[in-house]
Amino acid sequence: EVQLVESGGGLVQPGGSLRLSCAASGFNFNDYWMSWVRQAPGKGPEWVANIKGDGSEKDYVDSVKGRFTISRENGKNSLYLEMNSLTVEDTAVYYCARGGAVAGVWGQGTLVTVSS
Amino acid sequence: EIVLTQSPDTLSLSPGERATLSCRASQSVSSNYLAWYQQKPGQVPRLLIYGASSRDAGIPDRFSGGGSGTDFTLTISRLDPEDFAVYYCQQYGRSPHTFGQGTKLEIK
Repeated sequence: EVQLVESGGGLVQPGGSLRLSCAASGFNFNDYWMSWVRQAPGKGPEWVANIKGDGSEKDYVDSVKGRFTISRENGKNSLYLEMNSLTVEDTAVYYCARGGAVAGVWGQGTLVTVSS
Repeated sequence: EIVLTQSPDTLSLSPGERATLSCRASQSVSSNYLAWYQQKPGQVPRLLIYGASSRDAGIPDRFSGGGSGTDFTLTISRLDPEDFAVYYCQQYGRSPHTFGQGTKLEIK
C-alpha cells in the first residue's frame, strides 16, 4: 500500500524555524518527483515546492523562495521541508504528495502554526 | 503566475442531478495540464482528473473533465450523496502550480 506520513509540525513563533519530514512506503521512492502542498485554515491548497526523484531539480512558489528548502534522502525513503523565517502567513496544514505537479497521493498532513 | 477562477463559488443541487463546475485560467494552460480534486470536510484532497479529461484510477465514470486553453469543466453526470464536497482545479503547465479557490457542491 502506498503511504506517506508527515511529521514535524507544531507551534512556532514568527521568525522561527521548523523541519518537516515525510516517510514514504509502498512504492519506488527514487522514481518519483515529490511535492509539498499546504492548505491554510478554510482556504484552498497551495503548491509549495517540488523535487525530482534524484534531487537534481527543485522548484518553489515565490512566497517561500529563500526561506524554505526541499530535500530528500532516497536511502531512507524520506522527503523534507526546512522552513526558516516563518511568518503567520505560513500557518497551514502541510501535505507531502507524490508527484511533482499532479498530486496523486497525499499524506494526512502536519499542522504548522506560526503565532506569538 | 496563472490565476484560476472557479465558478460558481457554491452550487446547490439534489442527488441524481447533473453538476457542471467551471475553471477559467488567466492564461492558456499548456498541454491541457489541468487537474481536478475533491475534498470532503476533514479529509485530504483526492485527485479525480488529470490532463483535463483523464480519470485517475478508481474514479467513477460519472466524473468527466473537459475543456482546453483557458476554459475547463468538471461534470458529474448524476450526483451521488457522497459527491457533495469542495472541488478544486489546478494547473500544472507552468510553475507555480496554482489552484483555484474552489467550488462547494452542496445538497439542495
